[in-house]
Amino acid sequence: AQTVTQSQPEMSVQEAETVTLSCTYDTSESNYYLFWYKQPPSRQMILVIRQEAYKQQNATENRFSVNFQKAAKSFSLKISDSQLGDTAMYFCAFMKHLYSIQGAQKLVFGQGTRLTINP
Amino acid sequence: DTEVTQTPKHLVMGMTNKKSLKCEQHMGHRAMYWYKQKAKKPPELMFVYSYEKLSINESVPSRFSPECPNSSLLNLHLHALQPEDSALYLCASSQVLRSPSEGNTIYFGEGSWLTVV
Repeated sequence: AQTVTQSQPEMSVQEAETVTLSCTYDTSESNYYLFWYKQPPSRQMILVIRQEAYKQQNATENRFSVNFQKAAKSFSLKISDSQLGDTAMYFCAFMKHLYSIQGAQKLVFGQGTRLTINP
Repeated sequence: DTEVTQTPKHLVMGMTNKKSLKCEQHMGHRAMYWYKQKAKKPPELMFVYSYEKLSINESVPSRFSPECPNSSLLNLHLHALQPEDSALYLCASSQVLRSPSEGNTIYFGEGSWLTVV
């Protein structure tokens, strides 16, 4: 079974600093997708970044980038030049394909890391 | 437009009430989902609809009854809930995968806060 582990329950940095959130996962599949979602106090789950496992190049989205180490099953998120608006809960998620049901998929979430950006 | 709209944003109901949560998306997605999220926990999958048919029920109690009237709408009917059902209920949608080797993004709504008293 796929599992996702986020070992940092809480993190806190100063505005403009760089911060890295850790995520490890366990799977026997060779093709899969990984995601980082952000959930601010408003509680909407917002997609931050996505990585296809077959791509060796690490995904980047503006100030957000990942360090994807497939052999180590590690998928960390780096936030550069952090801003107050980055304060949120961050969830790492693995997309699980449900082969018995055409088209269906399931997100397996880690427990989350609560990130606070201080002014 | 990558928007999933949920109503109401907040709902307080008694244990004998019947209420419904509604979800709408206009992205042409044919997979829709209900997730339940308790405080300080990750979302947990409840139901998956694929092409308007219930594909997955993650052993959810029958007091929760999902409905997908058309490809844009998803409802969650609530009846005889318990206080422990109080949570944030998230609706989500995505494209349907043509093969297991594909992957795509699941988009979430803002959620409906449910309090059962």
